[in-house]
This record gives sequence, C-alpha cells and structure tokens, in this order.
Amino acid sequence: NAGVTQTPKFQVLKTGQSMTLQCAQDMNHEYMSWYRQDPGMGLRLIHYSVGAGITDQGEVPNGYNVSRSTTEDFPLRLLSAAPSQTSVYFCASSPRLLARGYTFGSGTRLTVV
Amino acid sequence: GDSVTQMEGPVTLSEEAFLTINCTYTATGYPSLFWYVQYPGEGLQLLLKATKADDKGSNKGFEATYRKETTSFHLEKGSVQVSDSAVYFCALSDPTGNQFYFGTGTSLTVIP
Repeated sequence: NAGVTQTPKFQVLKTGQSMTLQCAQDMNHEYMSWYRQDPGMGLRLIHYSVGAGITDQGEVPNGYNVSRSTTEDFPLRLLSAAPSQTSVYFCASSPRLLARGYTFGSGTRLTVV
Repeated sequence: GDSVTQMEGPVTLSEEAFLTINCTYTATGYPSLFWYVQYPGEGLQLLLKATKADDKGSNKGFEATYRKETTSFHLEKGSVQVSDSAVYFCALSDPTGNQFYFGTGTSLTVIP
C-alpha cells in the first residue's frame, strides 16, 4: 500500500518556468489537499479538493492551479515560478470527513532561482 | 474561527527526560484533535488522535488527553529517546469534518 506518492522529490526551476508537481493516492480517499511549508510559517493550505471534479482555494492559492480529474490524482501546477514559491510542498489525502486525519506524502522540495 | 496554539520551541531535552508539549485549541462544538510528527526530511505522520472529550490517544509511548474543560490536548512522553527528535504539530478537524487546522509546530531535539 503506497499511500500518498509525490513526485519529484527535488526540483530546481528558473524564474518564469512552469511545472507540475504530481500527487497520487491509492486509498480511495475523497479529500486531497496541497500545503506548503516554510520556515517559521508552519503549514499553509494552497488548494484542496473534496472529490473528482471539485476543487477550491485555500489560504495561499495565488500562482498555483489544480485539477482533479480522478479520485487518485491531484496535480499542482506552478504557472510562472517565482522565488517566493521556493518551499517544501506536501500533498495530503483523507477520507471524506477530516475527523479521520490526513495521510501525507513525503514532500517535494522546490527551489526557484 | 477555529485555531490551534502550541508551545513554541525549540525544545531540547536529555535522553530519558519527560516531555510535555502544550497545545490548546479554539473551536465550537467538539472537534477531533491530532498530533503529527515530522522527522527530518520527511512528511508528516499521524502520531495519535482523539475524537471526543476525555479520550486518550496513544502511540509509541506518546500520550495526549482531550480536555474539553481546558480546551487542551497536551502531548506527553515519559522517557524520550534520541530517535524522538522531530517537529511535532498539533491539529484539529472542526466538528463538520470539513476544515483542518495546524499549529505552527514544536521542534524537539533529544541529546544523548
């Protein structure tokens, strides 16, 4: 049981480049989210989805797009990378009710130069 | 709105010392409460949880009790090990199960 799989683990981008961070889960979880983690800022919610075809913005959505075409996959797209998007990105999934808690991926460490 | 406040770190302890990391919350109704642990270079892992008042969550020697009267969910361990060095996050899920809130994390270093 793989859980939540994120790729890549590390990435360096130049300012203005675009890329997609991949996230897949094999637990049939309805709820999926993207967080970024920055020193001194804790975890901040970027976007989330309560099911296939449904997405919504979190606390810091600017500069990011998401889509949820299947239950399993929830990619995060950086449209035009900026140095302020240098961070560690975590994907997480949960059964429909968050009272059961999240399962996290191992993260993608992104550096924008 | 709902929120979680946990003690700031960093916390440094000697091996076999007693650990307490304080966590208090603000929420309407009865949220579910969680502790997550993040080891260096890894994602967050669910350590323990409690879903109703007076429940005690426990795992790997860690314990936390859901105290409604003091709106607290303090993490404790009787004897820490070097391998417990990590960042610990307190979190809550609101009673509807639709929102999740994290504390800012507490870094723990255990020295031999």
